[in-house]
Amino acid sequence: GAGVSQTPSNKVTEKGKYVELRCDPISGHTALYWYRQSLGQGPEFLIYFQGTGAADDSGLPNDRFFAVRPEGSVSTLKIQRTERGDSAVYLCASSLNGGLGETQYFGPGTRLLVL
Amino acid sequence: KNQVEQSPQSLIILEGKNCTLQCNYTVSPFSNLRWYKQDTGRGPVSLTIMTFSENTKSNGRYTATLDADTKQSSLHITASQLSDSASYICVVSSTNTNAGKSTFGDGTTLTVKP
Repeated sequence: GAGVSQTPSNKVTEKGKYVELRCDPISGHTALYWYRQSLGQGPEFLIYFQGTGAADDSGLPNDRFFAVRPEGSVSTLKIQRTERGDSAVYLCASSLNGGLGETQYFGPGTRLLVL
Repeated sequence: KNQVEQSPQSLIILEGKNCTLQCNYTVSPFSNLRWYKQDTGRGPVSLTIMTFSENTKSNGRYTATLDADTKQSSLHITASQLSDSASYICVVSSTNTNAGKSTFGDGTTLTVKP
Protein backbone atom coordinates (compact mmCIF):
# COMPACT_ATOMS: atom_id res chain seq x y z
CA GLY A 1 0.00 0.00 0.00
CA ALA A 2 1.32 3.38 -0.97
CA GLY A 3 -0.41 5.51 1.62
CA VAL A 4 -2.09 5.58 5.00
CA SER A 5 -5.34 3.66 5.08
CA GLN A 6 -8.15 3.86 7.61
CA THR A 7 -11.10 1.60 8.22
CA PRO A 8 -14.00 1.85 8.29
CA SER A 9 -14.46 4.91 6.12
CA ASN A 10 -17.78 5.58 7.81
CA LYS A 11 -19.20 4.39 11.11
CA VAL A 12 -22.67 5.02 12.49
CA THR A 13 -23.31 3.96 16.04
CA GLU A 14 -25.71 4.60 18.85
CA LYS A 15 -24.96 6.59 21.94
CA GLY A 16 -23.36 4.41 24.60
CA LYS A 17 -21.84 1.90 22.19
CA TYR A 18 -18.18 0.99 21.80
CA VAL A 19 -16.29 1.64 18.55
CA GLU A 20 -12.88 0.81 17.16
CA LEU A 21 -11.20 2.76 14.40
CA ARG A 22 -8.22 1.29 12.58
CA CYS A 23 -5.20 2.93 10.98
CA ASP A 24 -2.61 1.31 8.72
CA PRO A 25 0.36 3.66 8.41
CA ILE A 26 2.93 3.74 5.65
CA SER A 27 5.26 0.79 6.03
CA GLY A 28 8.42 1.72 7.93
CA HIS A 29 7.00 4.86 9.52
CA THR A 30 7.69 4.80 13.23
CA ALA A 31 5.58 7.83 14.10
CA LEU A 32 1.79 7.66 14.08
CA TYR A 33 -0.69 10.37 15.01
CA TRP A 34 -4.43 10.43 15.64
CA TYR A 35 -6.46 13.60 15.14
CA ARG A 36 -10.11 14.53 15.38
CA GLN A 37 -11.62 17.02 12.95
CA SER A 38 -14.99 18.68 13.32
CA LEU A 39 -16.74 20.34 10.41
CA GLY A 40 -15.14 23.63 9.46
CA GLN A 41 -12.21 23.23 11.81
CA GLY A 42 -8.64 22.08 11.58
CA PRO A 43 -7.53 18.73 12.96
CA GLU A 44 -7.20 18.48 16.74
CA PHE A 45 -4.36 16.36 18.13
CA LEU A 46 -5.33 13.28 20.12
CA ILE A 47 -2.29 11.01 20.54
CA TYR A 48 1.19 10.39 19.14
CA PHE A 49 2.90 7.00 18.96
CA GLN A 50 6.61 6.45 18.51
CA GLY A 51 6.93 2.78 17.73
CA THR A 52 4.71 0.79 20.06
CA GLY A 53 4.52 3.36 22.82
CA ALA A 54 2.29 6.38 23.24
CA ALA A 55 4.81 9.21 23.39
CA ASP A 56 2.13 11.83 24.00
CA ASP A 57 -1.53 11.13 24.78
CA SER A 58 -2.32 14.54 26.19
CA GLY A 59 -4.87 15.24 23.46
CA LEU A 60 -7.24 12.43 24.40
CA PRO A 61 -10.33 14.25 25.70
CA ASN A 62 -11.19 11.82 28.52
CA ASP A 63 -10.76 8.24 29.67
CA ARG A 64 -13.37 6.95 27.22
CA PHE A 65 -10.73 7.31 24.52
CA PHE A 66 -7.85 4.88 24.25
CA ALA A 67 -5.43 3.92 21.48
CA VAL A 68 -2.98 1.09 20.97
CA ARG A 69 -0.22 0.19 18.54
CA PRO A 70 0.95 -3.20 19.81
CA GLU A 71 3.39 -4.09 17.04
CA GLY A 72 4.48 -0.63 16.03
CA SER A 73 2.53 -0.59 12.80
CA VAL A 74 -1.30 -0.77 12.81
CA SER A 75 -3.03 1.36 15.42
CA THR A 76 -6.53 1.18 16.82
CA LEU A 77 -8.40 4.07 18.41
CA LYS A 78 -11.02 2.85 20.82
CA ILE A 79 -13.95 4.88 22.10
CA GLN A 80 -16.11 3.57 24.92
CA ARG A 81 -19.62 4.71 25.80
CA THR A 82 -19.81 6.94 22.76
CA GLU A 83 -21.55 10.29 23.04
CA ARG A 84 -23.12 12.45 20.33
CA GLY A 85 -20.29 14.93 20.81
CA ASP A 86 -17.82 12.30 19.63
CA SER A 87 -19.21 12.63 16.10
CA ALA A 88 -16.37 13.85 13.91
CA VAL A 89 -13.83 12.73 11.34
CA TYR A 90 -10.98 10.82 12.93
CA LEU A 91 -7.76 11.23 10.96
CA CYS A 92 -4.62 9.18 11.23
CA ALA A 93 -1.21 10.30 9.97
CA SER A 94 2.25 8.79 9.91
CA SER A 95 5.75 10.07 9.38
CA LEU A 96 9.13 8.39 9.06
CA ASN A 97 10.64 9.17 12.47
CA GLY A 98 8.42 11.81 14.05
CA GLY A 99 10.78 14.71 13.42
CA LEU A 100 9.33 18.23 13.39
CA GLY A 101 10.53 18.80 9.83
CA GLU A 102 9.09 15.61 8.43
CA THR A 103 6.05 15.41 6.23
CA GLN A 104 3.04 13.80 7.84
CA TYR A 105 0.99 11.63 5.51
CA PHE A 106 -2.69 11.56 6.35
CA GLY A 107 -5.22 8.85 5.76
CA PRO A 108 -8.69 9.62 4.36
CA GLY A 109 -10.26 9.52 7.80
CA THR A 110 -13.11 7.67 9.47
CA ARG A 111 -16.36 9.58 9.67
CA LEU A 112 -17.99 8.69 12.97
CA LEU A 113 -21.63 9.54 13.59
CA VAL A 114 -23.09 8.87 17.02
CA LEU A 115 -26.88 8.89 17.04
CA LYS B 1 -1.59 30.30 24.10
CA ASN B 2 -0.42 29.19 20.67
CA GLN B 3 -2.86 30.20 17.98
CA VAL B 4 -3.16 30.14 14.19
CA GLU B 5 -5.67 32.43 12.52
CA GLN B 6 -6.52 32.06 8.85
CA SER B 7 -8.32 34.45 6.56
CA PRO B 8 -10.56 34.61 4.74
CA GLN B 9 -12.73 31.83 6.11
CA SER B 10 -13.99 31.14 2.59
CA LEU B 11 -13.28 32.44 -0.86
CA ILE B 12 -14.87 32.03 -4.29
CA ILE B 13 -12.89 32.82 -7.43
CA LEU B 14 -13.22 32.19 -11.13
CA GLU B 15 -11.08 29.61 -12.87
CA GLY B 16 -7.83 31.08 -14.10
CA LYS B 17 -7.69 33.82 -11.47
CA ASN B 18 -5.06 34.15 -8.75
CA CYS B 19 -5.73 34.30 -5.03
CA THR B 20 -3.87 34.72 -1.75
CA LEU B 21 -4.72 33.10 1.56
CA GLN B 22 -3.44 34.48 4.85
CA CYS B 23 -2.16 32.88 8.03
CA ASN B 24 -1.21 34.72 11.24
CA TYR B 25 0.25 32.85 14.17
CA THR B 26 1.40 33.34 17.72
CA VAL B 27 3.22 30.01 18.13
CA SER B 28 6.49 30.29 19.98
CA PRO B 29 9.23 29.14 19.89
CA PHE B 30 8.77 28.66 16.16
CA SER B 31 9.99 25.57 14.32
CA ASN B 32 8.24 25.48 10.96
CA LEU B 33 5.07 26.39 9.10
CA ARG B 34 3.23 24.14 6.69
CA TRP B 35 0.40 24.61 4.27
CA TYR B 36 -1.88 21.65 3.63
CA LYS B 37 -4.56 21.12 1.00
CA GLN B 38 -7.57 19.10 2.10
CA ASP B 39 -10.04 17.96 -0.53
CA THR B 40 -13.57 17.24 0.65
CA GLY B 41 -13.73 13.83 2.26
CA ARG B 42 -9.96 13.32 2.17
CA GLY B 43 -7.06 13.77 4.53
CA PRO B 44 -4.78 16.83 4.32
CA VAL B 45 -1.87 16.73 1.86
CA SER B 46 1.27 18.74 2.48
CA LEU B 47 1.97 21.54 -0.02
CA THR B 48 4.92 23.38 1.48
CA ILE B 49 7.00 23.56 4.64
CA MET B 50 9.09 26.55 5.67
CA THR B 51 11.55 27.03 8.48
CA PHE B 52 12.56 30.27 10.17
CA SER B 53 15.18 31.18 7.59
CA GLU B 54 12.99 30.62 4.53
CA ASN B 55 10.98 33.48 3.07
CA THR B 56 9.34 31.72 0.18
CA LYS B 57 8.71 28.20 -1.07
CA SER B 58 7.00 27.12 -4.26
CA ASN B 59 5.26 23.94 -5.28
CA GLY B 60 3.98 24.27 -8.83
CA ARG B 61 1.28 26.94 -8.90
CA TYR B 62 1.40 27.26 -5.10
CA THR B 63 3.80 29.77 -3.53
CA ALA B 64 4.04 30.22 0.22
CA THR B 65 5.71 33.14 1.93
CA LEU B 66 6.80 33.54 5.52
CA ASP B 67 7.59 36.66 7.54
CA ALA B 68 8.88 35.33 10.83
CA ASP B 69 9.18 38.85 12.27
CA THR B 70 5.51 39.67 11.88
CA LYS B 71 4.49 36.00 12.25
CA GLN B 72 2.55 35.97 9.04
CA SER B 73 2.41 33.60 6.11
CA SER B 74 0.53 33.61 2.84
CA LEU B 75 -0.29 31.02 0.22
CA HIS B 76 -0.60 32.35 -3.31
CA ILE B 77 -2.32 30.25 -5.94
CA THR B 78 -1.65 31.18 -9.53
CA ALA B 79 -3.94 30.50 -12.49
CA SER B 80 -6.46 28.62 -10.39
CA GLN B 81 -8.02 25.40 -11.61
CA LEU B 82 -11.27 23.72 -10.65
CA SER B 83 -9.25 21.07 -8.84
CA ASP B 84 -7.89 23.74 -6.50
CA SER B 85 -11.30 23.79 -4.79
CA ALA B 86 -10.47 22.55 -1.29
CA SER B 87 -9.73 23.66 2.24
CA TYR B 88 -6.24 25.07 2.81
CA ILE B 89 -4.89 24.63 6.31
CA CYS B 90 -1.97 26.46 7.88
CA VAL B 91 -0.09 24.51 10.56
CA VAL B 92 2.65 25.88 12.80
CA SER B 93 5.02 23.70 14.81
CA SER B 94 6.89 24.70 17.93
CA THR B 95 10.26 23.36 19.01
CA ASN B 96 8.69 22.79 22.42
CA THR B 97 6.54 19.87 21.42
CA ASN B 98 6.09 16.94 19.09
CA ALA B 99 4.95 17.31 15.50
CA GLY B 100 1.47 16.05 16.28
CA LYS B 101 0.77 18.88 18.71
CA SER B 102 1.38 21.48 16.07
CA THR B 103 -1.19 24.24 16.03
CA PHE B 104 -3.67 23.92 13.18
CA GLY B 105 -5.67 26.74 11.72
CA ASP B 106 -9.32 26.20 10.84
CA GLY B 107 -8.59 26.52 7.15
CA THR B 108 -9.76 28.64 4.25
CA THR B 109 -12.32 27.02 2.01
CA LEU B 110 -11.57 27.88 -1.60
CA THR B 111 -14.13 27.37 -4.35
CA VAL B 112 -13.02 27.77 -7.94
CA LYS B 113 -15.89 28.24 -10.37
CA PRO B 114 -15.78 27.81 -14.14
